[in-house]
Amino acid sequence: DAGVTQSPTHLIKTRGQQVTLRCSPKSGHDTVSWYQQALGQGPQFIFQYYEEEERQRGNFPDRFSGHQFPNYSSELNVNALLLGDSALYLCASSLVIKGYGTDTQYFGPGTRLTVL
Amino acid sequence: AQTVTQSQPEMSVQEAETVTLSCTYDTSESDYYLFWYKQPPSRQMILVIRQEAYKQQNATENRFSVNFQKAAKSFSLKISDSQLGDAAMYFCAYRGDYGGATNKLIFGTGTLLAVQP
Repeated sequence: DAGVTQSPTHLIKTRGQQVTLRCSPKSGHDTVSWYQQALGQGPQFIFQYYEEEERQRGNFPDRFSGHQFPNYSSELNVNALLLGDSALYLCASSLVIKGYGTDTQYFGPGTRLTVL
Repeated sequence: AQTVTQSQPEMSVQEAETVTLSCTYDTSESDYYLFWYKQPPSRQMILVIRQEAYKQQNATENRFSVNFQKAAKSFSLKISDSQLGDAAMYFCAYRGDYGGATNKLIFGTGTLLAVQP
């Protein structure tokens, strides 16, 4: 049973560039959440996708956008990169249980983004 | 807004001994879920244990158990018979129970656990 996968593992960009990170959810899951984890900090919620729509968003600027595909995989796009965007980006998948909410979130290995 | 606080930035334990990691949270909700995640140097966030707030019984998973005190808003993790592989950053996390597809996790700042041989 494949777990959550993310690509790429590492990425180096320069200020002002754009980046796309990818996530494939755990088999059977339909919801993808993205988190940003700065060095030495706990993860911060960016947004969550379900049924190909952004369902909830954390306190992140519009430079952060995403997409969910019919196969439930997801992309995180960041435009006009800033030095402060350097972080570990974690993807988590879960399953919506109607009338209950999302079940436990399982995380991928993350993508380490470095902005120079 | 909900918050999660981990007041112990670092902890150390001898192999085979027991250690307790602390977590407190603040919420006005009555139904919610609490989690402990482990993040080893490999960076993969691994679920350790989960507790539903409506359950009075403390959750247990093998050597890992929690002490959930709802009135005190406290959720500590006890690791028994510590092993070298337990060395990692441990995060406490909160999730509200909204009944919809918008259940984000709110994390604490983490506790770095070292296991001494």
